[in-house]
Amino acid sequence: DTAVSQTPKYLVTQMGNDKSIKCEQNLGHDTMYWYKQDSKKFLKIMFSYNNKELIINETVPNRFSPKSPDKAHLNLHINSLELGDSAVYFCASSQARRASGTEETQYFGPGTRLLVL
Amino acid sequence: AQKVTQAQTEISVVEKEDVTLDCVYETRDTTYYLFWYKQPPSGELVFLIRRNSFDEQNEISGRYSWNFQKSTSSFNFTITASQVVDSAVYFCALSEIKYAGGTSYGKLTFGQGTILTVHP
Repeated sequence: DTAVSQTPKYLVTQMGNDKSIKCEQNLGHDTMYWYKQDSKKFLKIMFSYNNKELIINETVPNRFSPKSPDKAHLNLHINSLELGDSAVYFCASSQARRASGTEETQYFGPGTRLLVL
Repeated sequence: AQKVTQAQTEISVVEKEDVTLDCVYETRDTTYYLFWYKQPPSGELVFLIRRNSFDEQNEISGRYSWNFQKSTSSFNFTITASQVVDSAVYFCALSEIKYAGGTSYGKLTFGQGTILTVHP
C-alpha cells in the first residue's frame, strides 16, 4: 500500500563504516531522487535517476554512490561515514514527461534518520 | 540560480486563528512549478499543492488557501481557523524543468521551512 518506502527507518553507526539505504516506489514512476535534510531542517537534492540513468548529481562527496537496479528502486550507499553525514535522507519519485516541459509532483518516502557516532 | 525564501522561521498561534506563511522565490525560468509540503512531527513530507507559473488562480482546499502572485514572485499559504494538528514545518519549493533523454523532470529547490505551532 505504501507509495514510496525506505529501509531502514533509523540507522545508527560508527564513523568509518559503510552503510546502505534502500528505496522502493510502487507508483510506476520513472524518476527517483535522494534528498538530505540537515539538523536545521534544510532540504537539498543530492541525486536523481530517470529510468536507471543518473540525471542530477549535485556536489556530493564521492563517498555517496547511488545505484538504481531498476526504475522502481534507488539505493544509496555511503562509504567511510563521517559525523557530518548525520541527517535525515529522503527518497522521492515522480513521473517524467516526454519532452513536454512539465513537472510532475514528487512524492516522498518516510525518511531514514542516520546518526553517525 | 533558483532561490526560495521563507522569511518566517517560526510562527506561534492559538487555535482558531488564521495564519499566513510567506514564500518568495527567484528564478529566470519562464516555466516553473511551485509547491508546498508539510512535515508533521512524525517526520514525513506530505505534498499539499502544486501550481505552474502560468496559472495564477488562487486555490482553496478546505481550510487551506494559496495566493500566487507572479508580479511579486510570491506563493503564500493561509490556514484558516488553525488547529493543533496543523502544527508542523511547512516548506515552499520551486522546481526548474530539466531535460534528459527526451523527457522533462523537475529539480526542487526548497525554502528554509517555517515551523508552525498551534496552541490549544
